[in-house]
Amino acid sequence: EAGVTQFPSHSVIEKGQTVTLRCDPISGHDNLYWYRRVMGKEIKFLLHFVKESKQDESGMPNNRFLAERTGGTYSTLKVQPAELEDSGVYFCASSLYAVSYEQYFGPGTRLTVT
Amino acid sequence: TQLLEQSPQFLSIQEGENLTVYCNSSSVFSSLQWYRQEPGEGPVLLVTVVTGGEVKKLKRLTFQFGDARKDSSLHITAAQPGDTGLYLCAGPNAGNNRKLIWGLGTSLAVNP
Repeated sequence: EAGVTQFPSHSVIEKGQTVTLRCDPISGHDNLYWYRRVMGKEIKFLLHFVKESKQDESGMPNNRFLAERTGGTYSTLKVQPAELEDSGVYFCASSLYAVSYEQYFGPGTRLTVT
Repeated sequence: TQLLEQSPQFLSIQEGENLTVYCNSSSVFSSLQWYRQEPGEGPVLLVTVVTGGEVKKLKRLTFQFGDARKDSSLHITAAQPGDTGLYLCAGPNAGNNRKLIWGLGTSLAVNP
């Protein structure tokens, strides 16, 4: 069984540009989460999907971030326009059940905004 | 605000030594999880502790949840180079247990 995959693994963009991160969860996992780790800080929750619906997006930093999960399968996280402080590692996780016990994480996308 | 503080932040030991790392909070958590993360990878769940005072063993790793459910420890016996990595603790947010709150992690290096 394939694990959670994320694309790209690295992205370097200039301030003001747009970047779209993709996450493919484990097949059959209705719950999908996005997290971010900024250098020197702890991992922070961004949002949670149940199938295609946003269950909780309280961790999204601002309206420059847009997450979608069309069809309840893969998810995208778009940052537009990117700012320097958006740099960090963006992790996606999925779980079968809608509690935090058994979340499976992807390898992350390292985003660098210059 | 629930916070998880991990200590030490960095630890470098020789193969065969024992070590303990800690995850502390002033808040009660319904459960705590321990993850291990290697460079270029995402966190991998090692264990979830749920009951106050609970002890779980995973080969040479022993996890303990404090009686008051405010702290947890991870003890590694006879550490090996393969134990090298970042050890993270996390717990569900009290207001929304689908959100995990994370500690900063303990970076462990086991030298051969």
